[in-house]
Amino acid sequence: DGGITQSPKYLFRKEGQNVTLSCEQNLNHDAMYWYRQDPGQGLRLIYYSQIVNDFQKGDIAEGYSVSREKKESFPLTVTSAQKNPTAFYLCASWDRGSANYGYTFGSGTRLTVV
Amino acid sequence: AQSVTQLDSQVPVFEEAPVELRCNYSSSVSVYLFWYVQYPNQGLQLLLKYLSGSTLVKGINGFEAEFNKSQTSFHLRKPSVHISDTAEYFCAVIPFTGGGNKLTFGTGTQLKVEL
Repeated sequence: DGGITQSPKYLFRKEGQNVTLSCEQNLNHDAMYWYRQDPGQGLRLIYYSQIVNDFQKGDIAEGYSVSREKKESFPLTVTSAQKNPTAFYLCASWDRGSANYGYTFGSGTRLTVV
Repeated sequence: AQSVTQLDSQVPVFEEAPVELRCNYSSSVSVYLFWYVQYPNQGLQLLLKYLSGSTLVKGINGFEAEFNKSQTSFHLRKPSVHISDTAEYFCAVIPFTGGGNKLTFGTGTQLKVEL
């Protein structure tokens, strides 16, 4: 079945460490997105990519970085510059096809700073 | 730019009672509208969407929503809820064109169904 795979499901980070969250899709979607979810704040856009080798900052990009070297993959790195990284991170891809117009989401990664 | 308002952060309801979750949006351009459901520690699942045509949209799990352009609303309803409907619900919009096809979300409504 086609879908989005995020790994790991749970991730613990020590202060000052960089960590990378994986997002892989086999839906052949061009566009991919990273959202951060905090209680009571909904989902906020971190970065997005509409095509391979190109990406744009979202609303809260500071302290994060991404790459898009392959259509299927859009990893997110949470750097030590992100002062409050504890959150639930969701990856999504976008299908413009008429029948399936909309986003498909992965199951998320919960990052905790220890 | 777009914004989405979900005024009710929590909605408690008894099982088999009807429920309405409210969503209002603001946008300078035309938008498509979506409702998503999220169960604990899971991703978002699409409930329904309005792209065009009939303003009453039916989705999965017995949910429906009505698009009201004049009131810029897209309220979600279910005539009889079940315990399994307990979850968080998000309303979202995306502009017709441009803007990177970015979804803008409301802050969510926690639906708690009680016996």
